[in-house]
Amino acid sequence: KNEVEQSPQNLTAQEGEFITINCSYSVGISALHWLQQHPGGGIVSLFMLSSGKKKHGRLIATINIQEKHSSLHITASHPRDSAVYICAAYTGANSKLTFGKGITLSVRP
Amino acid sequence: GAGVSQSPRYKVAKRGQDVALRCDPISGHVSLFWYQQALGQGPEFLTYFQNEAQLDKSGLPSDRFFAERPEGSVSTLKIQRTQQEDSAVYLCASSFAGSGEQYFGPGTRLTVT
Repeated sequence: KNEVEQSPQNLTAQEGEFITINCSYSVGISALHWLQQHPGGGIVSLFMLSSGKKKHGRLIATINIQEKHSSLHITASHPRDSAVYICAAYTGANSKLTFGKGITLSVRP
Repeated sequence: GAGVSQSPRYKVAKRGQDVALRCDPISGHVSLFWYQQALGQGPEFLTYFQNEAQLDKSGLPSDRFFAERPEGSVSTLKIQRTQQEDSAVYLCASSFAGSGEQYFGPGTRLTVT
Protein backbone atom coordinates (compact mmCIF):
# COMPACT_ATOMS: atom_id res chain seq x y z
CA LYS A 1 0.00 0.00 0.00
CA ASN A 2 1.37 3.40 -0.95
CA GLU A 3 1.93 5.82 1.89
CA VAL A 4 0.15 8.52 -0.12
CA GLU A 5 -3.02 7.65 -1.98
CA GLN A 6 -5.05 9.83 -4.31
CA SER A 7 -8.55 9.47 -5.61
CA PRO A 8 -10.08 9.36 -8.11
CA GLN A 9 -7.34 8.33 -10.58
CA ASN A 10 -8.90 10.15 -13.48
CA LEU A 11 -11.48 12.86 -13.42
CA THR A 12 -13.46 14.53 -16.16
CA ALA A 13 -15.52 17.64 -15.50
CA GLN A 14 -17.50 20.19 -17.44
CA GLU A 15 -16.29 23.77 -17.51
CA GLY A 16 -17.67 25.67 -14.55
CA GLU A 17 -18.06 22.66 -12.26
CA PHE A 18 -16.73 22.51 -8.70
CA ILE A 19 -14.03 19.86 -8.48
CA THR A 20 -12.63 18.01 -5.47
CA ILE A 21 -9.47 15.92 -5.55
CA ASN A 22 -8.64 13.83 -2.51
CA CYS A 23 -5.41 12.71 -0.90
CA SER A 24 -4.95 10.40 2.07
CA TYR A 25 -1.77 9.31 3.75
CA SER A 26 -0.93 6.57 6.18
CA VAL A 27 2.10 7.95 7.97
CA GLY A 28 2.87 10.94 10.13
CA ILE A 29 3.74 14.00 8.12
CA SER A 30 5.03 17.48 8.83
CA ALA A 31 3.49 19.13 5.77
CA LEU A 32 1.80 18.35 2.49
CA HIS A 33 2.33 19.76 -1.00
CA TRP A 34 -0.25 20.04 -3.74
CA LEU A 35 1.47 20.14 -7.13
CA GLN A 36 0.30 20.65 -10.70
CA GLN A 37 1.93 19.05 -13.73
CA HIS A 38 0.93 19.81 -17.31
CA PRO A 39 1.65 17.21 -20.02
CA GLY A 40 5.29 17.46 -21.02
CA GLY A 41 5.74 20.25 -18.52
CA GLY A 42 7.38 20.76 -15.22
CA ILE A 43 5.83 20.62 -11.79
CA VAL A 44 4.40 23.74 -10.18
CA SER A 45 3.79 23.96 -6.46
CA LEU A 46 0.24 25.08 -5.72
CA PHE A 47 0.15 24.86 -1.94
CA MET A 48 2.17 23.69 0.98
CA LEU A 49 0.16 23.26 4.15
CA SER A 50 0.45 21.63 7.52
CA SER A 51 -2.94 22.52 9.00
CA GLY A 52 -6.26 24.12 8.18
CA LYS A 53 -6.97 25.66 4.83
CA LYS A 54 -5.30 27.79 2.17
CA LYS A 55 -6.84 29.64 -0.75
CA HIS A 56 -5.31 31.03 -3.92
CA GLY A 57 -7.61 32.33 -6.60
CA ARG A 58 -10.01 29.53 -7.56
CA LEU A 59 -8.02 26.90 -5.69
CA ILE A 60 -8.61 25.86 -2.09
CA ALA A 61 -6.62 23.25 -0.19
CA THR A 62 -7.61 21.77 3.15
CA ILE A 63 -5.94 19.29 5.43
CA ASN A 64 -7.21 17.28 8.39
CA ILE A 65 -4.21 16.02 10.31
CA GLN A 66 -6.23 13.74 12.61
CA GLU A 67 -7.92 12.01 9.69
CA LYS A 68 -4.72 12.02 7.57
CA HIS A 69 -6.60 13.52 4.66
CA SER A 70 -6.28 16.52 2.38
CA SER A 71 -8.45 17.87 -0.42
CA LEU A 72 -7.86 20.22 -3.30
CA HIS A 73 -10.91 22.09 -4.55
CA ILE A 74 -11.20 23.96 -7.83
CA THR A 75 -14.09 26.37 -8.15
CA ALA A 76 -15.50 27.48 -11.52
CA SER A 77 -13.27 25.01 -13.35
CA HIS A 78 -11.80 25.93 -16.72
CA PRO A 79 -10.20 23.84 -19.50
CA ARG A 80 -6.83 25.36 -18.63
CA ASP A 81 -7.12 23.58 -15.27
CA SER A 82 -6.64 20.29 -17.14
CA ALA A 83 -3.46 18.78 -15.74
CA VAL A 84 -2.16 16.13 -13.38
CA TYR A 85 -2.59 17.05 -9.72
CA ILE A 86 -0.18 15.40 -7.32
CA CYS A 87 -0.12 15.45 -3.57
CA ALA A 88 3.17 14.87 -1.82
CA ALA A 89 3.82 14.50 1.89
CA TYR A 90 6.88 15.35 3.90
CA THR A 91 7.63 12.11 5.74
CA GLY A 92 10.59 11.07 7.78
CA ALA A 93 13.45 13.09 9.10
CA ASN A 94 15.28 14.13 5.98
CA SER A 95 12.77 16.32 4.15
CA LYS A 96 11.85 13.43 1.92
CA LEU A 97 8.72 13.96 -0.16
CA THR A 98 6.54 10.91 -0.75
CA PHE A 99 4.31 11.42 -3.77
CA GLY A 100 0.93 10.13 -4.73
CA LYS A 101 0.51 8.83 -8.26
CA GLY A 102 -1.38 11.91 -9.33
CA ILE A 103 -4.84 12.45 -10.71
CA THR A 104 -5.41 13.38 -14.33
CA LEU A 105 -8.07 16.06 -14.57
CA SER A 106 -9.73 16.94 -17.86
CA VAL A 107 -12.08 19.90 -17.97
CA ARG A 108 -14.26 19.99 -21.06
CA PRO A 109 -15.36 23.33 -22.52
CA GLY B 1 14.77 35.64 -10.33
CA ALA B 2 15.27 32.55 -12.44
CA GLY B 3 13.69 29.29 -11.37
CA VAL B 4 15.27 25.87 -11.23
CA SER B 5 16.78 24.89 -14.55
CA GLN B 6 17.82 21.49 -15.81
CA SER B 7 19.83 20.37 -18.79
CA PRO B 8 19.55 18.71 -21.13
CA ARG B 9 15.76 18.70 -21.40
CA TYR B 10 15.86 15.50 -23.44
CA LYS B 11 18.50 12.83 -23.62
CA VAL B 12 18.58 9.67 -25.67
CA ALA B 13 21.25 7.19 -24.66
CA LYS B 14 22.15 3.79 -25.96
CA ARG B 15 22.08 1.00 -23.42
CA GLY B 16 25.39 0.90 -21.62
CA GLN B 17 26.27 4.57 -22.10
CA ASP B 18 26.95 6.92 -19.22
CA VAL B 19 24.86 10.08 -18.86
CA ALA B 20 25.14 13.23 -16.76
CA LEU B 21 22.15 15.37 -15.91
CA ARG B 22 22.57 18.87 -14.58
CA CYS B 23 20.48 20.91 -12.17
CA ASP B 24 20.85 24.62 -11.43
CA PRO B 25 18.82 25.41 -8.32
CA ILE B 26 17.42 28.77 -7.35
CA SER B 27 20.23 30.96 -6.07
CA GLY B 28 20.47 30.81 -2.29
CA HIS B 29 18.51 27.60 -1.92
CA VAL B 30 20.26 25.36 0.54
CA SER B 31 18.41 22.13 -0.18
CA LEU B 32 18.39 20.24 -3.46
CA PHE B 33 16.46 17.10 -4.33
CA TRP B 34 16.51 14.64 -7.21
CA TYR B 35 13.44 12.61 -8.15
CA GLN B 36 12.70 9.98 -10.79
CA GLN B 37 9.31 9.91 -12.49
CA ALA B 38 8.37 6.90 -14.56
CA LEU B 39 5.63 7.26 -17.16
CA GLY B 40 2.22 7.52 -15.54
CA GLN B 41 3.60 7.50 -12.03
CA GLY B 42 4.28 10.07 -9.37
CA PRO B 43 7.88 11.13 -8.77
CA GLU B 44 10.01 9.04 -6.46
CA PHE B 45 12.74 10.36 -4.22
CA LEU B 46 16.32 9.65 -5.24
CA THR B 47 18.61 11.82 -3.13
CA TYR B 48 18.87 15.02 -1.08
CA PHE B 49 21.61 17.57 -0.54
CA GLN B 50 21.96 20.26 2.04
CA ASN B 51 24.57 22.59 0.63
CA GLU B 52 27.33 20.25 -0.60
CA ALA B 53 26.49 17.45 1.82
CA GLN B 54 24.50 14.51 0.50
CA LEU B 55 22.32 13.77 3.52
CA ASP B 56 20.13 11.07 2.05
CA LYS B 57 20.76 8.84 -0.93
CA SER B 58 18.42 6.06 0.09
CA GLY B 59 16.35 6.39 -3.08
CA LEU B 60 19.16 5.78 -5.56
CA PRO B 61 18.13 2.51 -7.25
CA SER B 62 21.59 1.07 -7.75
CA ASP B 63 25.27 1.86 -7.47
CA ARG B 64 25.14 2.95 -11.11
CA PHE B 65 23.50 6.16 -9.89
CA PHE B 66 25.68 8.86 -8.42
CA ALA B 67 24.92 12.47 -7.51
CA GLU B 68 27.14 15.32 -6.45
CA ARG B 69 26.91 18.97 -5.53
CA PRO B 70 30.54 19.92 -4.91
CA GLU B 71 30.13 23.64 -4.31
CA GLY B 72 26.67 23.60 -2.82
CA SER B 73 24.94 25.03 -5.87
CA VAL B 74 24.84 23.16 -9.19
CA SER B 75 24.23 19.43 -8.93
CA THR B 76 24.88 16.59 -11.34
CA LEU B 77 23.15 13.23 -11.42
CA LYS B 78 25.23 10.64 -13.20
CA ILE B 79 23.98 7.29 -14.38
CA GLN B 80 26.58 4.78 -15.48
CA ARG B 81 25.97 1.92 -17.90
CA THR B 82 22.40 2.99 -18.54
CA GLN B 83 19.69 0.34 -18.75
CA GLN B 84 16.25 0.52 -20.35
CA GLU B 85 14.59 0.66 -16.95
CA ASP B 86 16.40 3.94 -16.32
CA SER B 87 14.15 5.61 -18.89
CA ALA B 88 12.18 8.23 -16.98
CA VAL B 89 11.92 11.93 -16.31
CA TYR B 90 14.49 13.09 -13.78
CA LEU B 91 13.30 16.04 -11.75
CA CYS B 92 15.33 18.38 -9.63
CA ALA B 93 13.86 20.60 -6.93
CA SER B 94 15.31 23.11 -4.54
CA SER B 95 14.14 24.81 -1.38
CA PHE B 96 15.43 27.53 0.89
CA ALA B 97 15.40 25.13 3.83
CA GLY B 98 15.02 21.39 4.17
CA SER B 99 11.31 21.21 4.84
CA GLY B 100 10.35 24.36 3.00
CA GLU B 101 8.34 24.61 -0.17
CA GLN B 102 10.12 22.91 -3.05
CA TYR B 103 10.48 24.49 -6.47
CA PHE B 104 10.79 22.08 -9.36
CA GLY B 105 12.77 22.24 -12.55
CA PRO B 106 11.30 21.22 -15.93
CA GLY B 107 12.94 17.81 -15.75
CA THR B 108 15.18 15.83 -18.07
CA ARG B 109 13.47 13.12 -20.07
CA LEU B 110 15.91 10.23 -20.46
CA THR B 111 15.21 7.55 -23.01
CA VAL B 112 17.50 4.54 -23.08
CA THR B 113 17.35 2.56 -26.31
